Amino acid sequence: AQSVTQPDIHITVSEGASLELRCNYSYGATPYLFWYVQSPGQGLQLLLKYFSGDTLVQGIKGFEAEFKRSQSSFNLRKPSVHWSDAAEYFCAVASNRDDKIIFGKGTRLHILP
Amino acid sequence: DAGVTQSPTHLIKTRGQQVTLRCSPKSGHDTVSWYQQALGQGPQFIFQYYEEEERQRGNFPDRFSGHQFPNYSSELNVNALLLGDSALYLCASSDRFGYGYTFGSGTRLTVV
Repeated sequence: AQSVTQPDIHITVSEGASLELRCNYSYGATPYLFWYVQSPGQGLQLLLKYFSGDTLVQGIKGFEAEFKRSQSSFNLRKPSVHWSDAAEYFCAVASNRDDKIIFGKGTRLHILP
Repeated sequence: DAGVTQSPTHLIKTRGQQVTLRCSPKSGHDTVSWYQQALGQGPQFIFQYYEEEERQRGNFPDRFSGHQFPNYSSELNVNALLLGDSALYLCASSDRFGYGYTFGSGTRLTVV
């Protein structure tokens, strides 16, 4: 069965600092991978997705993620965070284009001024 | 271009009652999925509708049922509400040509 682990429940970084959010997945074949962001009281916004090809994926708002098959990881990075990046971040996996998405439990990002 | 629209935004129900949540997919999308997001948790898949049929179902009891209409809009029905059904219910739509669900802002259901 597919699963997603986000080992960090909360992460705090200073504004302007770099960010890396960790994500590990469990799936036997090549997965479809996603990162979503959720602001308080809001729905989910897709930051980026990986289906195939280049393992370094660029997304919106200056985010990127790297798929590492050998480590079953899909970590999200941003070189310099802004106060507006404070939100909940969810890593997710699916088995194909039409399949349900399995979400991790999320990482809450806090930004220090 | 309107995204995914969900109604109502907030709802308070009494234990044992029934509730219906509604979702209008993004224009051009024909597949609708429903997710339940409990406080502090990631969204959990309830079911997916395509061509007015339930195509996939997650690990939810039969109290949770749905429907998709010819215009692709969808309803989620929950019978015999329990306190544990209190959550944010998210609707997501997608199309057959690419992969990328668009999520609505959700309906916050509180069962008292």
